[in-house]
Amino acid sequence: AQSVTQLGSHVSVSEGALVLLRCNYSSSVPPYLFWYVQYPNQGLQLLLKYTSAATLVKGINGFEAEFKKSETSFHLTKPSAHMSDAAEYFCAVSRTGTASKLTFGTGTRLQVTL
Amino acid sequence: GAVVSQHPSWVICKSGTSVKIECRSLDFQATTMFWYRQFPKQSLMLMATSNEGSKATYEQGVEKDKFLINHASLTLSTLTVTSAHPEDSSFYICSAWDGVETQYFGPGTRLLVL
Repeated sequence: AQSVTQLGSHVSVSEGALVLLRCNYSSSVPPYLFWYVQYPNQGLQLLLKYTSAATLVKGINGFEAEFKKSETSFHLTKPSAHMSDAAEYFCAVSRTGTASKLTFGTGTRLQVTL
Repeated sequence: GAVVSQHPSWVICKSGTSVKIECRSLDFQATTMFWYRQFPKQSLMLMATSNEGSKATYEQGVEKDKFLINHASLTLSTLTVTSAHPEDSSFYICSAWDGVETQYFGPGTRLLVL
């Protein structure tokens, strides 16, 4: 079975500050890991994904995440927050090699203040 | 990146009527599509997995006779909510698997049943 835990349902940062959204996973097999962003009343947009290649993954909009197997983590970071980053962020895990189900975390709402 | 569309983006219907939601992969073929439901301020709940040319696989607790899924082509899956009731009001999101490792999500359909 697979699961994802997102620590912090709500994170608030100042514009220009570091963004750190935490995600820990549990998987009995090598996982694929994903970060998605959801803006109000919209679907999910893929930010980045880890698929067993480089452990440091760069995504869109300046985000990146590092896969740390020893810590079972896949935290999302951005050096400098922008107002437009305010949204809901979901971490998700799936099994490798198949069109398998995504298991989502509960989401973290990022607020960016002036 | 890959694009998935949904139609309609929102729909209001009377209790007891049926509503059909379409999910299309616009620039790739998707043998597998997924249907999710999202309640306000919550994560996505997988309802069913739709495979082209075969019956959908429903998650536990999802009524297959109420939520009819058809995946007649490699670019189109439909979800029909039959005899809709107010408790079926929700945000329905589909995703399409790219055949490799990633699910791409549609923009969602907001259903309101009066």
